[in-house]
Amino acid sequence: EDQVTQSPEALRLQEGESSSLNCSYTVSGLRGLFWYRQDPGKGPEFLFTLYSAGEEKEKERLKATLTKKESFLHITAPKPEDSATYLCAPGHGGATNKLIFGTGTLLAVQP
Amino acid sequence: KAGVTQTPRYLIKTRGQQVTLSCSPISGHRSVSWYQQTPGQGLQFLFEYFSETQRNKGNFPGRFSGRQFSNSRSEMNVSTLELGDSALYLCASSAETGEAFFGQGTRLTVV
Repeated sequence: EDQVTQSPEALRLQEGESSSLNCSYTVSGLRGLFWYRQDPGKGPEFLFTLYSAGEEKEKERLKATLTKKESFLHITAPKPEDSATYLCAPGHGGATNKLIFGTGTLLAVQP
Repeated sequence: KAGVTQTPRYLIKTRGQQVTLSCSPISGHRSVSWYQQTPGQGLQFLFEYFSETQRNKGNFPGRFSGRQFSNSRSEMNVSTLELGDSALYLCASSAETGEAFFGQGTRLTVV
């Protein structure tokens, strides 16, 4: 059965304090690993897609990495505007765009 | 380039009624997926349509249905509404690369 686990569930950081979010997954025929950011009451905003183990992608203060069973979202020197829920979603294999979402990590960055 | 448009943004319905939600995908995207998001269950996959055909379906009762038109616009319908159907319903539009872009969602409240 497909499973996605994100940790921690919630994370509080001081502005400038770097940290990492974890996404562990078991998905048959993985077709990419997607990261999203979601603000309250809004739809998820696409951040990254990773397709193979060892791949890394960066965007501003965020860097995503992928292994065979995990993905990490590293946040370097975060700012209060980085506060949001970060969602990890492996793509299910086969001819489908179905995503399997984790429950997310709620990040709060205090000034 | 216009993003994914969902209408309406908010709905209040009474138990037993039915509701239709609409999604206009990004121009050129032929795949539209629907997700239900609740605080307890997170984002759960409802179904995916590709070129007017349902390509994949999640584990939801038959009261949840959808369709896609020749212009790729999609609708989902929920019949005989229950209190537990209260949720944020999200539509995602995907290109051939598989990256999914979400709309702002429709907040459905069943009273």
